[in-house]
Amino acid sequence: DAGVIQSPRHEVTEMGQEVTLRCKPISGHNSLFWYRQTMMRGLELLIYFNNNVPIDDSGMPEDRFSAKMPNASFSTLKIQPSEPRDSAVYFCASSLAGAGGTGELFFGEGSRLTVL
Amino acid sequence: DAKTTQPNSMESNEEEPVHLPCNHSTISGTDYIHWYRQLPSQGPEYVIHGLTSNVNNRMASLAIAEDRKSSTLILHRATLRDAAVYYCILRGSGGSNYKLTFGKGTLLTVNP
Repeated sequence: DAGVIQSPRHEVTEMGQEVTLRCKPISGHNSLFWYRQTMMRGLELLIYFNNNVPIDDSGMPEDRFSAKMPNASFSTLKIQPSEPRDSAVYFCASSLAGAGGTGELFFGEGSRLTVL
Repeated sequence: DAKTTQPNSMESNEEEPVHLPCNHSTISGTDYIHWYRQLPSQGPEYVIHGLTSNVNNRMASLAIAEDRKSSTLILHRATLRDAAVYYCILRGSGGSNYKLTFGKGTLLTVNP
């Protein structure tokens, strides 16, 4: 299996531009997570999907951020308009939700976003 | 979210065992104890998890206190490749409790 695939790996954009990050989870997994990592705040959970349905989006910073999962094999995280404080590494992870807290998360290699 | 407390950093020598502690005094009866690690410039990776009994896998061992208020991740023989940030996380078993909330973790340095 190819693992969780994220694109782009690196993105440099200017403030005000729209940014779209993409994620292909591992085939057969039914849960998908978007995380953001910065030096100041560490790893933060932004949103969590189960069977393509958002279960918990309490970590989404504000209305500029949106996430979709139109099918089991694809998810996007969109930032519009982007701001310099959005600069971070964004990780996507997937898992097969198991009974009783099992179901390890498999993380992608991340998308490093720089907003100038 | 139930919280965990870990030392900010620890140091070890190569080929020696490493014991990484984690306190979770507010753990609930249905919380699982998960450990992940993050190597430099990579996404986190799963290490091990458990509920009440000690657990072993090819990467590490997890020792859980009888009252479940603390646990210890044991790397039996540290290698340079084990240098990473190690996260101890409590995870519920359903619905919105299924998410993993990462803390600051312990930065492990392995000396050659």
